[in-house]
Amino acid sequence: KQEVTQIPAALSVPEGENLVLNCSFTDSAIYNLQWFRQDPGKGLTSLLLIQSSQREQTSGRLNASLDKSSGRSTLYIAASQPGDSATYLCALGDSNYQLIWGAGTKLIIKP
Amino acid sequence: NAGVMQNPRHLVRRRGQEARLRCSPMKGHSHVYWYRQLPEEGLKFMVYLQKENIIDESGMPKERFSAEFPKEGPSILRIQQVVRGDSAAYFCASSLDVTDTQYFGPGTRLTVL
Repeated sequence: KQEVTQIPAALSVPEGENLVLNCSFTDSAIYNLQWFRQDPGKGLTSLLLIQSSQREQTSGRLNASLDKSSGRSTLYIAASQPGDSATYLCALGDSNYQLIWGAGTKLIIKP
Repeated sequence: NAGVMQNPRHLVRRRGQEARLRCSPMKGHSHVYWYRQLPEEGLKFMVYLQKENIIDESGMPKERFSAEFPKEGPSILRIQQVVRGDSAAYFCASSLDVTDTQYFGPGTRLTVL
């Protein structure tokens, strides 16, 4: 059974720092991996989608990597801003539609 | 093109009552997915529907929970005889095709008193 773990559960860093969020999974047989952002009281915003055959994806200040052999993905955020404060969720597609989610990392960027 | 719409955004029910959660997918999307997020936990898949068909309901409790996606109108997640453990955020997502990105709605936060 696929399990997804995100460590740490919470992270607080000063504005301007680069940071890395981690996601680990137990079964390397995945279709894809997505990173989402969840803001309080709002929906989920898809940030980056990495297909199983890819190793990384980039969007602006965000870079996500995928290493299936080690069961790990990282989300790198460059030059963090207070507006980046949110909960970041990692979700694995282990079929062509079903997503398995981590519990998230709550990120706080201090001005 | 409006995003995925869910209503109500907040719903309060007493134990034993029924809860109806609605989800209108993005225009042109015929695939709908429901997820539940318990406090301090990640989302859990509940059910996947296409127009008028339930494709996969493996994540949905066998009793008291049901889902539909009629030919016309929104998808409905129905919870009968709610209990306190049903308190959670329920998210709906839709996609153009089954392999495409899922777009999420703002969620319905259900509180059972």
